[in-house]
Formats: sequence, structure tokens, C-alpha cells
Amino acid sequence: ETGVTQTPRHLVMGMTNKKSLKCEQHLGHNAMYWYKQSAKKPLELMFVYNFKEQTENNSVPSRFSPECPNSSHLFLHLHTLQPEDSALYLCASSLNYRATNTEAFFGQGTRLTVV
Amino acid sequence: ELKVEQNPLFLSMQEGKNYTIYCNYSTTSDRLYWYRQDPGKSLESLFVLLSNGAVKQEGRLMASLDTKARLSTLHITAAVHDLSATYFCAVAYYNNNDMRFGAGTRLTVKP
Repeated sequence: ETGVTQTPRHLVMGMTNKKSLKCEQHLGHNAMYWYKQSAKKPLELMFVYNFKEQTENNSVPSRFSPECPNSSHLFLHLHTLQPEDSALYLCASSLNYRATNTEAFFGQGTRLTVV
Repeated sequence: ELKVEQNPLFLSMQEGKNYTIYCNYSTTSDRLYWYRQDPGKSLESLFVLLSNGAVKQEGRLMASLDTKARLSTLHITAAVHDLSATYFCAVAYYNNNDMRFGAGTRLTVKP
């Protein structure tokens, strides 16, 4: 248990559905991250929030929409996804995105399958 | 752009043997992380290396960092089955925590 909790753990959705992934951390961290882990690529950073402000968006398609209402919660809203979006989505948190001596703690991930 | 290369990508070892996983990266950084991932599980932090020459050991695993060579190694001593997992290195950009991950090394330790 790393202190970062993701729900749901598994999600199957159709291409026309709208769903949301949730991430919650109780570590007192101020930075939260979404990563995508697919079978054939290294972990890809999608979004970063630092003190509730989005600081990074690594050319992610608009069908993925992040939301960070406070430093403890992070959502990833999904709509009109494609089968190639099927992957493990990992949430992580760290003390501060700009801090250079901290590590990131990861949640268990949500296994997403788009049908 | 920061690129991180790990090798080997697949490693099958016998119990009791030693081996090293390599992590090369392309641009200046003084922060490197090693993570372990078991199937279906999250990433577990193993080591944080923050300076040139840093060496850390935990049990049968030892990690080192050479920032001049842009190289980190994860050395496995006398492998046991419980070490079977995928190991990732990640390198952070110089002034933030934007980590770029290697492709991972899938380690299998056989009796």
C-alpha cells in the first residue's frame, strides 16, 4: 500500500461511453500525475498537476480530460475512446513537481479496455 | 528530449547467479530512480539516486549512478525466485519531476 488509491481497478467501456478514473492520495503531496502503461511502449507521462495547477500536458488527445479539484484528488475523464487507448493507467504523487529530491509513489492502476 | 534505454529487456536467470541491468539516458540529469513492478501491481520504489557516484543497496539488489557516463546499473546478487518482476529505471529532468521511464527489464529467476 503506497498511500495512492485508484478506482476502479478494472474498466471496460465502449467507444461511445463516458467514464472517469479516480485517484486519491493521503500522503500530503502537492503534485499528482497520470501515466499510461501500454504493452508495447514505456510508461508515458500524460498530465501533471502541481498545487492543483496543470503544469504538463504531453500532447495527449482531447478525449482524455484531467481534473484536479484539490491536491489530494485527481480524475481522468474519458470520452469517445479508441481501442488503442486500452492500457493500464497509473496515478502517482510526489511532494512537489519542482522539488528535485523526492520520489513518486504510484497507485495500483486502472486496467482500461475499450471495446 | 530525454530518452532512457534499458537492457536487457528480458532476463532469465538461475537462482544463485549474479547479473546486472543497465540503464542509459541521453541528457544531463542527476536523479535516477529504480522501480519494481509485479504482474498486475503498481510500481514500487526501490532506489533513488541523487548524485554522481551514488550507490545504494537493499538486500540482493544494488544500484549505482554515473552521471558522467549517463549510466545506472542495478546489480542482482545470488538471485532468488522472489526477485522475479519487471524492473524500470526512470530519469528526471534537471529541474522538475518529469520522469522518463525505460522500457523495463522483465526478470525471471528459475530454480
